[in-house]
Amino acid sequence: SYELTQPPSVSVSPGQTASITCSGDKLGDKYASWYQQKPGQSPVLVIYQDNRRPSGIPERLSGSKSGNTATLTISGTQAMDEADYYCQAWDSSTVVFGGGTKLTVL
Amino acid sequence: EVQLLESGGGLVQPGGSLRLSCAASGFTFSSYAMSWVRQAPGKGLDWVSAITGSGGSRYYADSVKGRFTISRDNSKNTLYLQMNSLRAEDTAVYYCGKDQEYYDSSDFFDYWGQGTLVTVSS
Repeated sequence: SYELTQPPSVSVSPGQTASITCSGDKLGDKYASWYQQKPGQSPVLVIYQDNRRPSGIPERLSGSKSGNTATLTISGTQAMDEADYYCQAWDSSTVVFGGGTKLTVL
Repeated sequence: EVQLLESGGGLVQPGGSLRLSCAASGFTFSSYAMSWVRQAPGKGLDWVSAITGSGGSRYYADSVKGRFTISRDNSKNTLYLQMNSLRAEDTAVYYCGKDQEYYDSSDFFDYWGQGTLVTVSS
């Protein structure tokens, strides 16, 4: 079955840039989406189709992809960005999520 | 405003059954695919099942195939998940998610419900 790999944790200082990666076989041929989930809350879509941002999502969150690795970048990280982040792709009629990355703002 | 409201969760014994519902509003329900996604306590997101807008096509994760059935009633703007032969490892918060018009490679979930907790335990 298809798998997406994320680092379990990423730490960043306030105001700095955080990058969360998501890698998968032939991910370069698929669309990647990203979700933010804060404790006790439902996931929220923050990036779709690799680099498109839904309305209401701050511009400091951006998505990109190079080869088979998608990256969520958070510029000027704020305390409110501390959350779990999940990447997602679609493969063979199934939706696949990465294992999630806990972003800690130190 | 798009709203998704799940219900039907609770405590059930191993081998038992449960039916979840997701009441949708704020969009043309029949025009969009819908999915169920679960999250075990302290774990990540796990896609369970999807259904196209017309209900004509259904898709399942291998872990639930043959035990769970997804359905929808477009006249009631409601999505369902019938869960049979439940196991301890099915314990999770179950979310319904609004997919895009076409369930395909460009799919993503732009809205999520608040989730309903299913606990499978004796």
